[in-house]
Amino acid sequence: DAKTTQPTSMDCAEGRAANLPCNHSTISGNEYVYWYRQIHSQGPQYIIHGLKNNETNEMASLIITEDRKSSTLILPHATLRDTAVYYCIVRVAPDSGGGADGLTFGKGTHLIIQP
Amino acid sequence: EPEVTQTPSHQVTQMGQEVILRCVPISNHLYFYWYRQILGQKVEFLVSFYNNEISEKSEIFDDQFSVERPDGSNFTLKIRSTKLEDSAMYFCASHRGSNQPQHFGDGTRLSIL
Repeated sequence: DAKTTQPTSMDCAEGRAANLPCNHSTISGNEYVYWYRQIHSQGPQYIIHGLKNNETNEMASLIITEDRKSSTLILPHATLRDTAVYYCIVRVAPDSGGGADGLTFGKGTHLIIQP
Repeated sequence: EPEVTQTPSHQVTQMGQEVILRCVPISNHLYFYWYRQILGQKVEFLVSFYNNEISEKSEIFDDQFSVERPDGSNFTLKIRSTKLEDSAMYFCASHRGSNQPQHFGDGTRLSIL
């Protein structure tokens, strides 16, 4: 799986949009970008994923650059409960030759929402 | 919304004892995983399981570890002879396949004394 680079930590004011960047310059054509977060020591929580188009769901938006070498997770109206470590993970889908490989978690970005 | 369920939430075991951690994946999921997270460290992949056999495993998953899907609903991780360094949070995850995301349980905190 391609390596990802994320800032170690970020602050965001409550109610503002939180924009979390991720660099994945070695991503290959059949690799998806997944975002997870971990609140305290709970299990990682899936947020969103995409291949090349921008995606939006009830939690967040994912913007992937045209060359797919970077992406940004956007939490449109951050709340205190969004304080967590956010992980950007690149992975081949199982039915695209990725088998059942596990996710490779890095250190992620510790997002702190300030009141 | 269906969830991955793990039991117990906290397990305390004497060093050298066997421990079994239990997981009930989401019912229509086909791929199953175990991860661990030592306190203050990254989440680490241990093993994946598909079609009733181990699909991938990491270097951490040595002969002391085994996994089983004894029936249609449970997925277990057994550690045969626990060591102090096995103390960690253990997370189970599952997904349906294709490009669907893995869903994680809330974990079992394993404390080895």
